[in-house]
Amino acid sequence: ILNVEQSPQSLHVQEGDSTNFTCSFPSSNFYALHWYRWETAKSPEALFVMTLNGDEKKKGRISATLNTKEGYSYLYIKGSQPEDSATYLCAFIPGNNRKLIWGLGTSLAVNP
Amino acid sequence: EADIYQTPRYLVIGTGKKITLECSQTMGHDKMYWYQQDPGMELHLIHYSYGVNSTEKGDLSSESTVSRIRTEHFPLTLESARPSHTSQYLCASSDRGFTETQYFGPGTRLLVL
Repeated sequence: ILNVEQSPQSLHVQEGDSTNFTCSFPSSNFYALHWYRWETAKSPEALFVMTLNGDEKKKGRISATLNTKEGYSYLYIKGSQPEDSATYLCAFIPGNNRKLIWGLGTSLAVNP
Repeated sequence: EADIYQTPRYLVIGTGKKITLECSQTMGHDKMYWYQQDPGMELHLIHYSYGVNSTEKGDLSSESTVSRIRTEHFPLTLESARPSHTSQYLCASSDRGFTETQYFGPGTRLLVL
């Protein structure tokens, strides 16, 4: 059974704090990793698709890194804002069946 | 902004009723997906399609069925709803398969009494 684990499960930070969370996945049989952002009452929105070991991607204040050899990805948010409050999901794609396996997400609340 | 639509957004229905959850996208994507999410649980793929007349079951067993007669339309049907079908159902599409970005609809929250 392939598991994707995200930590922490939830996080409360103050506006302006920088934060990061982790997505752990099986290090063997890696194909790709997706990060999504899901705000309450909205649709999940894609942040990054990562495919290569050592990949670093950035979108505004949000960035992500990937280590396929040890099986983890970090998502960083610099200077958190209340509008960053959402659940951040990662999804791992194994090489043998190419279907997304989702984590439970990290729920971020940014207090003004 | 993604152009993928789901109706209804919320549905409360009695046991034994037949229901169809609609999903449409205007992006011309070949690939479409249905996910199920129970409270506190991960998203699970229940159906996917790589194009017209192509449908496959996902990793989570589901009593629902799907059809793909037109590229833009991917409805999900439950012939006889049961309380165990109560869940959130999310539709998504992508243009190149699983490694490419998936665009999600707003979801349908289904409650079967």
